[in-house]
Amino acid sequence: GESVGLHLPTLSVQEGDNSIINCAYSNSASDYFIWYKQESGKGPQFIIDIRSNMDKRQGQRVTVLLNKTVKHLSLQIAATQPGDSAVYFCAENSGGGSNYKLTFGKGTLLTVNP
Amino acid sequence: DADVTQTPRNRITKTGKRIMLECSQTKGHDRMYWYRQDPGLGLQLIYYSFDVKDINKGEISDGYSVSRQAQAKFSLSLESAIPNQTALYFCATSETGPTDTQYFGPGTRLTVL
Repeated sequence: GESVGLHLPTLSVQEGDNSIINCAYSNSASDYFIWYKQESGKGPQFIIDIRSNMDKRQGQRVTVLLNKTVKHLSLQIAATQPGDSAVYFCAENSGGGSNYKLTFGKGTLLTVNP
Repeated sequence: DADVTQTPRNRITKTGKRIMLECSQTKGHDRMYWYRQDPGLGLQLIYYSFDVKDINKGEISDGYSVSRQAQAKFSLSLESAIPNQTALYFCATSETGPTDTQYFGPGTRLTVL
């Protein structure tokens, strides 16, 4: 999972396996969460989001789980492919409305081995 | 064509120089943002703008200024660049709404010698 520091947490998986990337968020008042994927040399790309009134949301090959009790967010990627290799960031919106504040985690580097 | 574009994509400059990074978007979004990314760290918010007349400081605005020339354009300036401003800079946009999902440009790699 993500943590403070200069070295990114890393996850290495075999092609075809499922991947689980974890994120601990900080603000219990956060009401909206996003996962981003950042490939080398590119900007972050939106993957999936979830509101705080949900505990699970599914997309194409991705599922986000939210556990508000322990302030934990996870991203599950099914049948991981080499193209999934990237840094994955979680972000929380803790401001709400005009009091905007989107806080990003440090990221997790996912490496998919063929 | 990309929805959010940034120019230049790479820039090398010297300490003390003034630098402007530009961002344009065709998504029609009101909200625009500038972030900085350092190796191994997440994104840090420099400035954000909710519309043309609205400019707000983010977490790390010291040493930076911005200009929102139009709904589609948001520029970031370093008045007197210093080496610790060497980083990747990203522009992002979002719709006005409850979710503020942000869409990012490709980034500008800035090196200050």
